[in-house]
Amino acid sequence: GAVVSQHPSRVICKSGTSVKIECRSLDFQATTMFWYRQFPKQSLMLMATSNEGSKATYEQGVEKDKFLINHASLTLSTLTVTSAHPEDSSFYICSATRDYSNQPQHFGDGTRLSIL
Amino acid sequence: AQSVAQPEDQVNVAEGNPLTVKCTYSVSGNPYLFWYVQYPNRGLQFLLKYITGDNLVKGSYGFEAEFNKSQTSFHLKKPSALVSDSALYFCAVRLQSGGYQKVTFGIGTKLQVIP
Repeated sequence: GAVVSQHPSRVICKSGTSVKIECRSLDFQATTMFWYRQFPKQSLMLMATSNEGSKATYEQGVEKDKFLINHASLTLSTLTVTSAHPEDSSFYICSATRDYSNQPQHFGDGTRLSIL
Repeated sequence: AQSVAQPEDQVNVAEGNPLTVKCTYSVSGNPYLFWYVQYPNRGLQFLLKYITGDNLVKGSYGFEAEFNKSQTSFHLKKPSALVSDSALYFCAVRLQSGGYQKVTFGIGTKLQVIP
């Protein structure tokens, strides 16, 4: 089956640090990637949709200057949390899909971000 | 606007008994419907999907789901629950809109299978 690798799995860092999270589709070309944030005991909150070679589409209320998304190739998307603060601590999950809306999303294993 | 409702925060079922996890949706047009499962500190895993055709869809690990257009529901079912099925289950609806895919997830239902 399709595999999505997300790295790192866990990050602990000081307030003010910028953190980059990578999401790679290992065995298929992902035209579209999604970035989610998940709070404890809550559903996935879609942050942005990323299409290869174009700017990401951010959901309402998500600061695009805070959460920088780059989807430079069909197998890699990155999320950079700039100048992270404790309130940015969360579980971030990426997913990737082929360019057909009837295809399932394939998820990475998530990144636990803890800002001290 | 599209939405997904999972009315139960948690479902408890005894091992060996049938289980149902409920999902209803609201969307304009013909949606694609999905179920995913999430184990602790992991990403989501795809279970099954409904695109078109037979209303009863079979998926991974013995799960199935029934699409009911009149009731706008897509309940997840399994004839005999296993302890290892205990996890968080998400229903999702997906539409293509203006060149972009719009995906909406339900809030999730925690399934607890009791030995």
